[in-house]
Amino acid sequence: DAGVIQSPRHEVTEMGQEVTLRCKPISGHNSLFWYRQTMMRGLELLIYFNNNVPIDDSGMPEDRFSAKMPNASFSTLKIQPSEPRDSAVYFCASSFSDRAAFFGQGTRLTVV
Amino acid sequence: EDQVTQSPEALRLQEGESSSLNCSYTVSGLRGLFWYRQDPGKGPEFLFTLYSAGEEKEKERLKATLTKKESFLHITAPKPEDSATYLCAVQGMDSSYKLIFGSGTRLLVRP
Repeated sequence: DAGVIQSPRHEVTEMGQEVTLRCKPISGHNSLFWYRQTMMRGLELLIYFNNNVPIDDSGMPEDRFSAKMPNASFSTLKIQPSEPRDSAVYFCASSFSDRAAFFGQGTRLTVV
Repeated sequence: EDQVTQSPEALRLQEGESSSLNCSYTVSGLRGLFWYRQDPGKGPEFLFTLYSAGEEKEKERLKATLTKKESFLHITAPKPEDSATYLCAVQGMDSSYKLIFGSGTRLLVRP
């Protein structure tokens, strides 16, 4: 298996633009997580899906952030409009139930 | 609220100098405690899962142990390639499988 696949690896965008991050989880995994990592705040859980259903989105910073999981093999995290403080590395991870989560390589987002 | 505190924030060791990293946690019922390694520019890489107090897991120069309040990652005779950030995460007994991470320990092993 290729592991968790995220795209793009790097994204530079201007403030106010819409940004969409994509994730393909490991086949057979039923849980998917979106995390954000910054030097100041470390790894923060944004949202968690189980069997394609959002279970906990309490970490989504504000209404500008939204996430979808239309099927078991694809998820998106959208920021609209983007702001400079959204600059961070965004990770997607997947797991099977309570087993260990496996992470993708991340998307480094820079909003200028 | 589930919390994870890791110490020290950073650790410098000479090659061959053994040491331990600490992960203290507060969770309303522990389902599992996870250790990850993260190299610069990469995603966290899974190392170990511990489920109950007294449990130990080993992999090469690393050994993870678990008590009711904390976990230790022991590094024996480290090599420069062990340099990385080590992250600890807990999974509570609630209905979700989310992982709550600590801020990590940055380990530098000098030759």
